[in-house]
Amino acid sequence: ETGVTQSPTHLIKTRGQQVTLRCSSQSGHNTVSWYQQALGQGPQFIFQYYREEENGRGNFPPRFSGLQFPNYSSELNVNALELDDSALYLCASSLARGYEQYFGPGTRLTVT
Amino acid sequence: GQQVMQIPQYQHVQEGEDFTTYCNSSTTLSNIQWYKQRPGGHPVFLIQLVKSGEVKKQKRLTFQFGEAKKNSSLHITATQTTDVGTYFCAGRDNAGKSTFGDGTTLTVKP
Repeated sequence: ETGVTQSPTHLIKTRGQQVTLRCSSQSGHNTVSWYQQALGQGPQFIFQYYREEENGRGNFPPRFSGLQFPNYSSELNVNALELDDSALYLCASSLARGYEQYFGPGTRLTVT
Repeated sequence: GQQVMQIPQYQHVQEGEDFTTYCNSSTTLSNIQWYKQRPGGHPVFLIQLVKSGEVKKQKRLTFQFGEAKKNSSLHITATQTTDVGTYFCAGRDNAGKSTFGDGTTLTVKP
């Protein structure tokens, strides 16, 4: 296992609601990236955090926001959920920017 | 924005046959990483290539990075049933953003 944990494992929300997903990095890793993976597609980059600062963002609207804490754990917040937000949300930690990424098991989000 | 294309989308082989997946980026990459994802699982890091023309081997797997740092390939020699899964390349740009391809799903018939 990678040592990266995510919670919850599964989540069902209603359109318009808000959700917070959590990620605990591998020990010693200061960089966390979040990805959205729809069925049959590759992970789509949402954003990356390095030492508590956002360090790059993909093509996702502002209702996708995040935080990284002093212990390098991280949160992904999604407001005003839409049906298309249903996907597997993956976080990946790395020793530093540009290094290999170690993925957590993901959170399966279903929006009804 | 940066686009990363992978071909083929699917590959079905007989056990013992070789397998190759190709990855092409619309822009020059800082580095490229390869991952394997089993059904129901999460991507698992395989390797990172950084230098132009770099070739790396891991047992039956051979990874190449193109001279222009815009394309890459993964070749598996003599596939085994344990090789099944989806293989993704992820190109990283100078800003640190990773763009994944949509993967090549490999099935191996025993």
